Parts: sequence; C-alpha cells; structure tokens
Amino acid sequence: DVKVTQSSRYLVKRTGEKVFLECVQDMDHENMFWYRQDPGLGLRLIYFSYDVKMKEKGDIPEGYSVSREKKERFSLILESASTNQTSMYLCASRPPSGSWYEQYFGPGTRLTVT
Amino acid sequence: GIQVEQSPPDLILQEGANSTLRCNFSDSVNNLQWFHQNPWGQLINLFYIPSGTKQNGRLSATTVATERYSLLYISSSQTTDSGVYFCAVLISSGSARQLTFGSGTQLTVLP
Repeated sequence: DVKVTQSSRYLVKRTGEKVFLECVQDMDHENMFWYRQDPGLGLRLIYFSYDVKMKEKGDIPEGYSVSREKKERFSLILESASTNQTSMYLCASRPPSGSWYEQYFGPGTRLTVT
Repeated sequence: GIQVEQSPPDLILQEGANSTLRCNFSDSVNNLQWFHQNPWGQLINLFYIPSGTKQNGRLSATTVATERYSLLYISSSQTTDSGVYFCAVLISSGSARQLTFGSGTQLTVLP
C-alpha cells in the first residue's frame, strides 16, 4: 500500500515563528502536493512539485514556500507564521501522469498559530 | 478558472437512510473524482468517474458531463459513512495536472 506520512498530526506555533511541515511518501511518486483545508472552502492547492527541486505555485502560495531536495520528501515552509494560516494542511502524492487520478493523501497536520 | 460547487453543505441522516450528494462544475471536464474524508482527517479516493455510472457496494456515482454535474448516492447509510465528501475535477497547469476541489458536503449519520 502507498503510504504518505506527515511529521505531525497537531502543531501549535506562535505568530512570527518559522514553521516546517514535512511530508514523506514511500512509492517513488514524482508528483507531490500541499493543500490547506478550511471549512466551507474545501481543499485549496498551495504548491506542487513534479520532480526533485521543481516546484510550481498553486492557487494560494502567498506566505508559503516549499522544498523538494529528495524525491520522497516535500516540505512546506511558513516563513513567518500568522494567525490566518491556522488550518488543516494535507499532503498528497501521485504516480506519473498515466495514473493521475490515483492521488494518495497523508493524514493531515492541524496547525494552530497563536 | 473552473468552479466546483457541492450541495448540500451539510446533511444529517438516520442510519439506514439513503442520500444523494450533488457536484456541479462550471466548465466542460472529462474527468471527475469523489473523495471521502473520515472524521480523523484521512482522505480516500471513492470514484474516478468522468462519465457514466459506477457502483461500489452501497455507494454509486453518476456523472453527466454534458450537463456538468455528478451525483454520489449512498444507500442504507451507516455511521462509518460520516465525514466530508468532496468532488474534484482535474485541470492542467504548467507541467503537471492538479485537482480543483468543491467545498464539500459534511455528512453525519446518526445511530
């Protein structure tokens, strides 16, 4: 079974802190994604990566950056956390384009910024 | 960009009841997926259904692409069906394809 893991289920940080959210997948997938989920808004794409060291902005990249140094790991970085970044963050990975609909999600990290 | 709208936003059912969830999309698509997010946050693929009808146990889905909607049917609901149901469509952006999600339907099945 494909496994996507995220470093923390719950995280509490203070305003202004630098925050790292880590995602690891074990199936050698090229494509990896970071979403945030807010009530009434569904999932919104922050950033995605289709290869090591490659990244593209999603719909809401402001206030975030990402890092993909190894194929299995995709990190989301909040350079200076703010209260409006309190949310549920979901990581996903996907096999090559031939099976685009096989998207696998991690369990999520619920981040609270105080 | 393409808009994906789901209804109803919230649904409360008694165990054993049937339900229909709807997903409307603003532009022609040739792909659509339904997901279930359980109460612990895990998101699971339910159906990839660009058109036609598919069934998996008590769940079935129908997409009428020409009329820009998809329906998810849950029959004889169980408490384990509780959670949020999302539909999503695929769009192409840059070098990869990405999913655009609706806002979800929060389903609560009472024992």
